[in-house]
Amino acid sequence: KAGVTQTPRYLIKTRGQQVTLSCSPISGHRSVSWYQQTPGQGLQFLFEYFSETQRNKGNFPGRFSGRQFSNSRSEMNVSTLELGDSALYLCASSLATGTYGYTFGSGTRLTVV
Amino acid sequence: GDSVTQMEGPVTLSEEAFLTINCTYTATGYPSLFWYVQYPGEGLQLLLKATKADDKGSNKGFEATYRKETTSFHLEKGSVQVSDSAVYFCALSDSGNEKLTFGTGTRLTIIP
Repeated sequence: KAGVTQTPRYLIKTRGQQVTLSCSPISGHRSVSWYQQTPGQGLQFLFEYFSETQRNKGNFPGRFSGRQFSNSRSEMNVSTLELGDSALYLCASSLATGTYGYTFGSGTRLTVV
Repeated sequence: GDSVTQMEGPVTLSEEAFLTINCTYTATGYPSLFWYVQYPGEGLQLLLKATKADDKGSNKGFEATYRKETTSFHLEKGSVQVSDSAVYFCALSDSGNEKLTFGTGTRLTIIP
């Protein structure tokens, strides 16, 4: 059974550019969440989607957005990149709720220069 | 709001030593509790979970018991191995709130 797949694994972007990260959840999982991991702030929740609808959103500026497609695949977009956006972005999926835990992907390492 | 407080690291132990990593939480509802582990260069792996008070989660020799009276979910292992070296995160998912709130993580190093 394939796990959660995130692409690309590594990305280098220039300040001011925009970036799109992709996440394919485990087959049958309908909930997809995104997290940002940095040494200073730790793991912070970005947003969660279920059946193409955003159910929950964290405290991030509007430059961070996401969407989910009918096949449950999800993308997140960051516009007007800042140096502080450099982080490991993790995607997680679950069947429907987080009650029994989420399965995480290996992450996309974004470096903004 | 929800929060998780985890034992500060790093923690260094000798192989076969007993491990405890403390975790306490604050939540408004009835949360599920988790321990995740992160190996270098990888994402998070679910180590164990407990969904209600007095539940014990266990996996790969690790255990944690959901203690509502002390709002705690301490991770324990009787005999650690070098391969257990990783960063461990305690987390909660509050009822009706589809997100995980994480502790700051505890880096564990096991020396032979």
